[in-house]
Amino acid sequence: DAMVIQNPRYQVTQFGKPVTLSCSQTLNHNVMYWYQQKSSQAPKLLFHYYDKDFNNEADTPDNFQSRRPNTSFCFLDIRSPGLGDAAMYLCATSSRGQPGDEQFFGPGTRLTVL
Amino acid sequence: GQNIDQPTEMTATEGAIVQINCTYQTSGFNGLFWYQQHAGEAPTFLSYNVLDGLEEKGRFSSFLSRSKGYSYLLLKELQMKDSASYLCAALDSNYQLIWGAGTKLIIKP
Repeated sequence: DAMVIQNPRYQVTQFGKPVTLSCSQTLNHNVMYWYQQKSSQAPKLLFHYYDKDFNNEADTPDNFQSRRPNTSFCFLDIRSPGLGDAAMYLCATSSRGQPGDEQFFGPGTRLTVL
Repeated sequence: GQNIDQPTEMTATEGAIVQINCTYQTSGFNGLFWYQQHAGEAPTFLSYNVLDGLEEKGRFSSFLSRSKGYSYLLLKELQMKDSASYLCAALDSNYQLIWGAGTKLIIKP
């Protein structure tokens, strides 16, 4: 089945220790998104890629970086996680990023920072 | 600024009907999405409206009024598995999704 896969599902890291979250998709979609979602809050867009064209949201902290080496894979790097970065990180894809194109979400990675 | 408003929490009874409202203020508008999110899981797509009116899809219907900046999601014949958060998201002129915080729907037997 075509899908969006995120690994790991649960990640525990220590304060200040770099961590990388991964996302892969078998949908062959052009657009990939990374969201941060804290409990009972709206998903917050961190970045998105249209193909290899990287788009960084203005208020995304420099602590967050992203890479998309090919169509199928996208990574979120958190260089120095703080306690405030504990959240669910959601990867999503859409076929063209056009109006009406729904976003397909992966299961998310729940990050805990100790 | 851009803003989405929806109630924080609603309670309904199994078998009943519930309407979840959403108002939006965005820079331009290219449609409105509703997503369902069960606790600890990713959002899943329910509906997309770009024209005024009601779109029906099984037990779920979604309504849009562009002039009023208003949408609602109507859930009929509620089942226990419908207990979830329902997120409203509007697509702005830059094709960015502006998300609401979600309405937590609690279904009671």
